[in-house]
Amino acid sequence: SQQGEEDPQALSIQEGENATMNCSYKTSINNLQWYRQNSGRGLVHLILIRSNEREKHSGRLRVTLDTSKKSSSLLITASRAADTASYFCAVAAGNKLTFGGGTRVLVKP
Amino acid sequence: EAQVTQNPRYLITVTGKKLTVTCSQNMNHEYMSWYRQDPGLGLRQIYYSMNVEVTDKGDVPEGYKVSRKEKRNFPLILESPSPNQTSLYFCASSPTQAQFTDTQYFGPGTRLTVL
Repeated sequence: SQQGEEDPQALSIQEGENATMNCSYKTSINNLQWYRQNSGRGLVHLILIRSNEREKHSGRLRVTLDTSKKSSSLLITASRAADTASYFCAVAAGNKLTFGGGTRVLVKP
Repeated sequence: EAQVTQNPRYLITVTGKKLTVTCSQNMNHEYMSWYRQDPGLGLRQIYYSMNVEVTDKGDVPEGYKVSRKEKRNFPLILESPSPNQTSLYFCASSPTQAQFTDTQYFGPGTRLTVL
């Protein structure tokens, strides 16, 4: 079984549109984190949401967590070409942090 | 500037030739780890370290060694590299020993090719 499975695997949108990606997991978690990776570069932390939180915002980013459905979503509003990247969720459970396979987002100008 | 640095950034080597990838952080973080990233497999943890002289295996430790003699450095050693270790490697650090409660700070990556 895999923690942190993202959906969709790839997403293509026009600049200005919103992008939504989802992350599902299988066990109880301590927190769930979202990261961005520009092509071939290091991951950059975006948001950490704890198991007792339901929603967090950071600028144009909105993350929700539904522990009953064991899922989280990342919404990027008013997307820009610079948002083109891969986005990963990471599930913190026990003393492990497990990354999913990522969602590749292409924002077309 | 607070950062995690890795060297080299790119390396092409041959099977069996020992190599070391260095990782250093200047944030006084206690927790450090190594990941490898492969297409379709996401990031997989190789080794991690809770503090100086404390290391433990991650999900894919075979073929790798690490050491943590100083808080800031966490080198990854491949004693006898093989082609299946061709990958993109990332070092990461985190402020506390409770790694799951903290943000990971990633280095820029080392792209390793083993021929």
